[in-house]
Amino acid sequence: QVQLVESGGGVVQPGRSLRLSCAASGFTFSSYAMHWVRQAPGKGLEWVALIWHDGSNKNYADSVKGRFTISRDDSKSTLYLQMNSLRAEDTAVYYCARCTSYYDSSVDYWGQGTLVTVSS
Amino acid sequence: DMQMTQSPPSVSASVGDRVIITCRASRPIYTWLAWYHQKPGQAPKLLIYSASRLQTGVPSRFSGSGSGTDFTLTITSLQPEDLGTYYCQQSNSFPITFGQGTRLEIK
Repeated sequence: QVQLVESGGGVVQPGRSLRLSCAASGFTFSSYAMHWVRQAPGKGLEWVALIWHDGSNKNYADSVKGRFTISRDDSKSTLYLQMNSLRAEDTAVYYCARCTSYYDSSVDYWGQGTLVTVSS
Repeated sequence: DMQMTQSPPSVSASVGDRVIITCRASRPIYTWLAWYHQKPGQAPKLLIYSASRLQTGVPSRFSGSGSGTDFTLTITSLQPEDLGTYYCQQSNSFPITFGQGTRLEIK
């Protein structure tokens, strides 16, 4: 069965960096585009970034553009999110998520999430 | 950016009721609309994609309709496990955006 397991969250000071990882299993990782979606405490869902199945294209929310980088290692079936210059407003649960299909960027599988807290 | 507006913000209904949640896009999005259900403390779960396609394993009491700018999620015969928050999401254009959510309570 499809599994997405995030790791790398924690408490970090403003201005510092953090890298999240998402280990995928149960499907052909290289065939799917992948998202990062976040949810601040008590708030709604916010899309963060998308990387195409072949890594040829990446899209970002304006709120993270220039600070966050999405990447993938298909040999390890792993998705990454490099987060630099972190701000208090980046505090959230970060979900790794799989695109439903090549044509549809909805999300059919979600990880359990990893909490990132940006605080001094 | 594409704005997605859900209504109502919250709804309280009884087991067996029919519940309708609407989502309006600020510009036409064809049928690039998905609906998710999130229970407290859990990750969201896909219910409907492409506006009206039921995700595998989702009960048939859930249905979606609409195209262009106006969409609806209908839950017929509400069950206790349907409590939580429902989100719409557009994937017609970047940045991908979600509605603000509709909180569903069971009376």
